[in-house]
Amino acid sequence: EAQVTQNPRYLITVTGKKLTVTCSQNMNHEYMSWYRQDPGLGLRQIYYSMNVEVTDKGDVPEGYKVSRKEKRNFPLILESPSPNQTSLYFCASSLISPSGSSYEQYFGPGTRLTVT
Amino acid sequence: SQQGEEDPQALSIQEGENATMNCSYKTSINNLQWYRQNSGRGLVHLILIRSNEREKHSGRLRVTLDTSKKSSSLLITASRAADTASYFCATDVKSGGYQKVTFGIGTKLQVIP
Repeated sequence: EAQVTQNPRYLITVTGKKLTVTCSQNMNHEYMSWYRQDPGLGLRQIYYSMNVEVTDKGDVPEGYKVSRKEKRNFPLILESPSPNQTSLYFCASSLISPSGSSYEQYFGPGTRLTVT
Repeated sequence: SQQGEEDPQALSIQEGENATMNCSYKTSINNLQWYRQNSGRGLVHLILIRSNEREKHSGRLRVTLDTSKKSSSLLITASRAADTASYFCATDVKSGGYQKVTFGIGTKLQVIP
């Protein structure tokens, strides 16, 4: 089954304790992206990756890191989480057309993170 | 900043009625997509319309795109209670050789049985 998986689904942590949210897709997609969703703000892109070893900042990258060492995995790293990073996080992936445009994005189920 | 902005932010209709949601954006796009999200779950892709297309249909969905006005609309005909969800538009913009996909804030649709 084609899918994007995220782990963990729920996480409560304390300020400053490094954490990693994993994302994996089994569709051989080039494009992967992380979003955070907050009430009244919609989805905001954190980082995206066009392919292995190619990543770029989205609209709200501060406080986050990513890596793309393998095509299927795109982990999101919070080196020193703070309460303002409490949010619902989504990973997504898609193919890319020869012109560079994206096709439909497949979303993971979400990770609800609480930083106290 | 948000590239796409949906209007209205909330919409409540009776089952069987049509629902129309609008999306405005600021810069030129390659394509525009509509997604649906049931409460707290991941988004599900509904339809993609390319910048050189003006209208597209998929089942009870009709999407229009007006690049001169930088706007799109999503029409859901004969709505059902199961259509209750949030709907987002997303624009695909080339940015410095890479592409960014930007989502709007969303329209929350409630269909009353």
